[in-house]
Amino acid sequence: GENVEQHPSTLSVQEGDSAVIKCTYSDSASNYFPWYKQELGKRPQLIIDIRSNVGEKKDQRIAVTLNKTAKHFSLHITETQPEDSAVYFCAAGDNFNKFYFGSGTKLNVKP
Amino acid sequence: NAGVTQTPKFQVLKTGQSMTLQCAQDMNHEYMSWYRQDPGMGLRLIHYSVGAGITDQGEVPNGYNVSRSTTEDFPLRLLSAAPSQTSVYFCASSYSVAASEQYFGPGTRLTVT
Repeated sequence: GENVEQHPSTLSVQEGDSAVIKCTYSDSASNYFPWYKQELGKRPQLIIDIRSNVGEKKDQRIAVTLNKTAKHFSLHITETQPEDSAVYFCAAGDNFNKFYFGSGTKLNVKP
Repeated sequence: NAGVTQTPKFQVLKTGQSMTLQCAQDMNHEYMSWYRQDPGMGLRLIHYSVGAGITDQGEVPNGYNVSRSTTEDFPLRLLSAAPSQTSVYFCASSYSVAASEQYFGPGTRLTVT
């Protein structure tokens, strides 16, 4: 089955700096890569996603890149703000929307 | 739309007891999934379904059963609860279109003593 690895497990940045979180996957059948933000005690919320026919996608301060050949994808957050502090998860999904998640990155943005 | 709903929100069980976690969605989604999230970890897929009458196992199916008799409901049954099943359980649903967004329920926090 699919194996998704996520790094780093914790990330601390100063407000205004950029943050980068990286994930790798193993199954070439995976073709959809969402990123979720989860605040303490809450459900995961989709923040951005990318499909396998696209190399990069941006939404304001958030961007995701995908390298299908190397089987890795990354989340980039620019101009970080304290409210960006949360746990971020990557995931890889197939045509049946069967998803495998990374282990999460706890992002701390220091004011 | 209520979206994805889960009941109960909290549950405490004794080892060996059985129970059913309820999940329902009103968005006419074909695909539904159950995940567990242990402290400091990501979500792990327990079971999923691509439509009424069709279910399949995920990464960690042992100790859990599911059925999908209607499009709306996807209950998760714990057959004989064990302390290792202490976790937060999330149900999710999505359209039957490849690469479509999953919508998560609010979760059920289960403690097995």
